[in-house]
Amino acid sequence: GAVVSQHPSRVICKSGTSVKIECRSLDFQATTMFWYRQFPKQSLMLMATSNEGSKATYEQGVEKDKFLINHASLTLSTLTVTSAHPEDSSFYICSARVSGGRYQETQYFGPGTRLLVL
Amino acid sequence: DQQVKQNSPSLSVQEGRISILNCDYTNSMFDYFLWYKKYPAEGPTFLISISSIKDKNEDGRFTVFLNKSAKHLSLHIVPSQPGDSAVYFCAATSGSRLTFGEGTQLTVNP
Repeated sequence: GAVVSQHPSRVICKSGTSVKIECRSLDFQATTMFWYRQFPKQSLMLMATSNEGSKATYEQGVEKDKFLINHASLTLSTLTVTSAHPEDSSFYICSARVSGGRYQETQYFGPGTRLLVL
Repeated sequence: DQQVKQNSPSLSVQEGRISILNCDYTNSMFDYFLWYKKYPAEGPTFLISISSIKDKNEDGRFTVFLNKSAKHLSLHIVPSQPGDSAVYFCAATSGSRLTFGEGTQLTVNP
């Protein structure tokens, strides 16, 4: 099946620094990638939709200047958390939708990245 | 505003019995519903889905039921197996965005 990887799987950083998380579709092309955030015992919250070659679409309440998304190729999207603060500590998950995929089940998820900001 | 809710954070069943996971939604615009399964340290994987024009969809041991009037869906797993132990998320959509519930941790005891 389709595989989506995320790197790093865990990251600890100091408050005020920036952290980049990579999301790659390993064996398929993804024109659309999604970034989610999950707090403990809560649902996955969609942060933004990333389309290859164009600007990301952010959900209401998500600061686009704080969560920078770049989708430069059909297999890679990056999320950069700028000037991270402890409240940004969370579990970040990306997903990639198969190009031409019609149904939601063609959206494949990465394993997630645990971010801890000290 | 939690549009998709899974009110049971956990469920424990015996191997071989039926597992029933429930999900409620509030947005009547949702027209497609999905269940995902998630193991620790892995991303969610698609399990089964149902369109709003149906009330039941079956795939092997997994059956999803949709009650539109009650805005309720459920996932039945029968017979349950220890390998089914995972967190199950229901999700709903009316377009390209998925809205997830909080998840239910299913534990199937041997």
